[in-house]
Amino acid sequence: QKEVEQNSGPLSVPEGAIASLNCTYSDRGSQSFFWYRQYSGKSPELIMSIYSNGDKEDGRFTAQLNKASQYVSLLIRDSQPSDSATYLCAGANTGNQFYFGTGTSLTVIP
Amino acid sequence: KAGVTQTPRYLIKTRGQQVTLSCSPISGHRSVSWYQQTPGQGLQFLFEYFSETQRNKGNFPGRFSGRQFSNSRSEMNVSTLELGDSALYLCASSQGLDTDTQYFGPGTRLTVL
Repeated sequence: QKEVEQNSGPLSVPEGAIASLNCTYSDRGSQSFFWYRQYSGKSPELIMSIYSNGDKEDGRFTAQLNKASQYVSLLIRDSQPSDSATYLCAGANTGNQFYFGTGTSLTVIP
Repeated sequence: KAGVTQTPRYLIKTRGQQVTLSCSPISGHRSVSWYQQTPGQGLQFLFEYFSETQRNKGNFPGRFSGRQFSNSRSEMNVSTLELGDSALYLCASSQGLDTDTQYFGPGTRLTVL
């Protein structure tokens, strides 16, 4: 059973702080990983993708991948109230099938 | 470039009825994946179509079916609706290459009474 697990939260951080979201996966065949943000009542929107071990930065967002530990994380620096949403972690294997975690709810407190 | 579109956005049906949902992918994308999202289960993969062929399939009963047309538009059908089918149905579009990024449509909210 290919699974992606996330801490469902809720995670609360004050405005301006760093939010750290974590995800583990079971399928060592997974080649790439994605973080999506989903606002209540809306569809998921892509934040970042990461394919190689290490860090990938995009603005206030940094994704980290450690394939040996089967671990993916997302750091949000200088968190803003507009970052309050559910964050979905997904893995994809070479068959182009995605596996999503159940999401972590983040609240940024002004 | 226009995004993924889904129609209708909202549907109310009664138990036993059937429903057809439609998804138009991003221009040039050949893969369409369908997901069911419920508060308790999260995003559950239904199936993926690529070049009019079902390439991947999730663990859903045969009441859930789909198809893809030559223009890459896809439809999903649910027959003999049950109360538990109430959910947000999302389609995601991608080029269909290995581990390619998926882009989601706005979803269809289905309520079964």
